[in-house]
Amino acid sequence: DTGVSQNPRHKITKRGQNVTFRCDPISEHNRLYWYRQTLGQGPEFLTYFQNEAQLEKSRLLSDRFSAERPKGSFSTLEIQRTEQGDSAMYLCAIRTAYNEQFFGPGTRLTVL
Amino acid sequence: SQQGEEDPQALSIQEGENATMNCSYKTSINNLQWYRQNSGRGLVHLILIRSNEREKHSGRLRVTLDTSKKSSSLLITASRAADTASYFCATPVNSGAGSYQLTFGKGTKLSVIP
Repeated sequence: DTGVSQNPRHKITKRGQNVTFRCDPISEHNRLYWYRQTLGQGPEFLTYFQNEAQLEKSRLLSDRFSAERPKGSFSTLEIQRTEQGDSAMYLCAIRTAYNEQFFGPGTRLTVL
Repeated sequence: SQQGEEDPQALSIQEGENATMNCSYKTSINNLQWYRQNSGRGLVHLILIRSNEREKHSGRLRVTLDTSKKSSSLLITASRAADTASYFCATPVNSGAGSYQLTFGKGTKLSVIP
């Protein structure tokens, strides 16, 4: 139990469709991250929230990507007009007061 | 850009042997974290070592950190088939917004043969 759940675990979509992923930390953590991992690579940072404020976005986060954390608890990541290059594992993580980052199980996106 | 690099890229050992993986990084850090990832699954946090620590143990895991060489190692003793996974080191980067996002290498793929 990592303390972070993600839904859905798998998503298959057609190119051009919109998709939304959800991340739910089990307990309150004010610092939340999204990462993306492609095959054979380590995770790459996408965006960072402190409470409900999105404080940092990676250059990887194109304008087709949007993330929210409306009440400082769960977070959503939406990808509009998906492309085949968006196929990846999308990982959510929280940072504890001891600076450990714990990851959720991820959402695997396949764009056909 | 990736801050950390793991070495070797792949490692195959017999069950019961020890496995050592190395990680090098580029800039100064305040901690370094090791993760395990089974195929197609999420990352499992193994251990965090702070910059003022030289060695840390957790069960069969031993992590060392040499800040002068900007390197860390992960030793798994008495390996088991269940240890088969990819192992990543990760270092936090403060880009100014206080995010301390983690940067990862490509990982070491460990295969433990029963």
